[in-house]
Amino acid sequence: QQQVKQSPQSLIVQKGGISIINCAYENTAFDYFPWYQQFPGKGPALLIAIRPDVSEKKEGRFTISFNKSAKQFSLHIMDSQPGDSATYFCAANSGYALNFGKGTSLLVTP
Amino acid sequence: SQTIHQWPATLVQPVGSPLSLECTVEGTSNPNLYWYRQAAGRGLQLLFYSVGIGQISSEVPQNLSASRPQDRQFILSSKKLLLSDSGFYLCAWTSGTGGDDGYTFGSGTRLTVV
Repeated sequence: QQQVKQSPQSLIVQKGGISIINCAYENTAFDYFPWYQQFPGKGPALLIAIRPDVSEKKEGRFTISFNKSAKQFSLHIMDSQPGDSATYFCAANSGYALNFGKGTSLLVTP
Repeated sequence: SQTIHQWPATLVQPVGSPLSLECTVEGTSNPNLYWYRQAAGRGLQLLFYSVGIGQISSEVPQNLSASRPQDRQFILSSKKLLLSDSGFYLCAWTSGTGGDDGYTFGSGTRLTVV
């Protein structure tokens, strides 16, 4: 079964706007929550990651917000740019393997 | 620096034919290695992972198999491909310390079974 649920499936944002992608999980044993960015025809690349001992992590225009009690985490892309158009995956790790969400296709319009 | 190589980039194979996809990692030792399949709208599905030579864990029962003949080599195989095996296959590695750091993915193989 899907251990990490991601929404929305697709998202259209105007240039300069904020893109928000949400993920939820059930397994409290997960202890590492990365986000990946994938461009067409390429493998996913690690974008930013967080551990459950912090509630927020920011790297440039990308921020992860983490709510341990609600078992939810989200990716915020500030000042979204057309070059951010890609598919984004959230994931959660327990043990040796990552469990991925189904992905969000983001389109940033000029 | 560490690099991961995956080939071929694209492959068109007839139903019933065999398959061999190869992945190698350079610049590290004892990596954890993974095979994922990505189908449209279905995210990344873990197929196999390996924490050492000859050690393969299968996550999804199917007609695919994996082998790790060398520390930094991971091979995905099939004896007879099905139409449903079409997809984008990704190899990934992470350090062998429990998998709690980021994966590095290869560039993928687009497999079309016809």
